[in-house]
Amino acid sequence: AQTVTQSQPEMSVQEAETVTLSCTYDTSESDYYLFWYKQPPSRQMILVIRQEAYKQQNATENRFSVNFQKAAKSFSLKISDSQLGDAAMYFCAYSSGTYKYIFGTGTRLKVLA
Amino acid sequence: NAGVTQTPKFRVLKTGQSMTLLCAQDMNHEYMYWYRQDPGMGLRLIHYSVGEGTTAKGEVPDGYNVSRLKKQNFLLGLESAAPSQTSVYFCASSYFGQSTDTQYFGPGTRLTVL
Repeated sequence: AQTVTQSQPEMSVQEAETVTLSCTYDTSESDYYLFWYKQPPSRQMILVIRQEAYKQQNATENRFSVNFQKAAKSFSLKISDSQLGDAAMYFCAYSSGTYKYIFGTGTRLKVLA
Repeated sequence: NAGVTQTPKFRVLKTGQSMTLLCAQDMNHEYMYWYRQDPGMGLRLIHYSVGEGTTAKGEVPDGYNVSRLKKQNFLLGLESAAPSQTSVYFCASSYFGQSTDTQYFGPGTRLTVL
């Protein structure tokens, strides 16, 4: 069965600095998708970035980028120039072939002014 | 374009009471989902629907029922609430049910069962 692991329950970063959130997954599939969702205090789940497993190039969305290591089954999120508004829970998610998303347990990011 | 909306945002129930959570989407999505989120756990799928008039069980369906009478609405019902159902409930929707499709989430409903 597929699993998603986020081993960092909480992380802190100084404003304007860079932080990396870790995510590892386990699957026997070769084609799948990986996502990072942000959940601010408002509870709204917001898609930050997604990566197709067949693409070797790492996805980038403005200050957010991923480091996708398919062989290592690792999918980390890098946030550059951290802002106070980046403070939130971040969830890593996996999906393969169907509707089903498998979520990690989340990492709470604190941004220090 | 409101996206995905959920009603109510908060609710407190007593054990044994019933209630219905309403999810609505205005993006003409085929697939809709109900998740629950508990502390220290990721979101877990309760039920989902692949189109109007259809529903199916997800990972944790016990104690819940759903209906999709209209394409834009997906209802989650608790017939006899239990304290174990205290959670935050999220509705989501997507165009289809493929991995390529992003799921769009509602703002959540915090339910407390006393």
